[in-house]
Amino acid sequence: EDKVVQSPLSLVVHEGDTVTLNCSYEVTNFRSLLWYKQEKKAPTFLFMLTSSGIEKKSGRLSSILDKKELFSILNITATQTGDSAVYLCAVGGATNKLIFGTGTLLAVQP
Amino acid sequence: DAMVIQNPRYQVTQFGKPVTLSCSQTLNHNVMYWYQQKSSQAPKLLFHYYDKDFNNEADTPDNFQSRRPNTSFCFLDIRSPGLGDAAMYLCATSRWTGNNSPLHFGNGTRLTVT
Repeated sequence: EDKVVQSPLSLVVHEGDTVTLNCSYEVTNFRSLLWYKQEKKAPTFLFMLTSSGIEKKSGRLSSILDKKELFSILNITATQTGDSAVYLCAVGGATNKLIFGTGTLLAVQP
Repeated sequence: DAMVIQNPRYQVTQFGKPVTLSCSQTLNHNVMYWYQQKSSQAPKLLFHYYDKDFNNEADTPDNFQSRRPNTSFCFLDIRSPGLGDAAMYLCATSRWTGNNSPLHFGNGTRLTVT
């Protein structure tokens, strides 16, 4: 059965810290891995990764995929309180639907 | 400007009373999805439309139905809501069904069943 596992489940840091969120997967015929940020509303798209070893970067956020070890990480540097959210990882495989992990709840304290 | 719009943001219904949630999009995307997300859980796909073709997930209860009268609009009908159907319902769109086409979500409708 396809599955996506995120860790940690929750994380509390202080402003300015750097955090690394993890996503591992077991999916038949992997096609893509996506990261979303969800505040108290709908998820917003962050990155889509399809190739190993190529870092995607947007401001203080970056992500990379390892298709051999079947995982991805999302890094956030110099965290701000506005980064507080649930970060969802989703993976597309043989079927056309995305399989979501349960997310990592990040709380950034002032 | 919002591109995937869900109405209402909050919906309260009574046990067993039919309810309809709506979603519209200005992206002209081919695919529209409905997800159910319960507290602290991952979004769960209920069904999707590729254009007019309806695709139901195998484990979606019959209590949940959907309509897509045109490209822009899609509705989720819950025929007889139970307490267990209380959740956030997320509408999403994508240009294609291929997994290289990111989903664009609306802000969701939070459903309460009393």
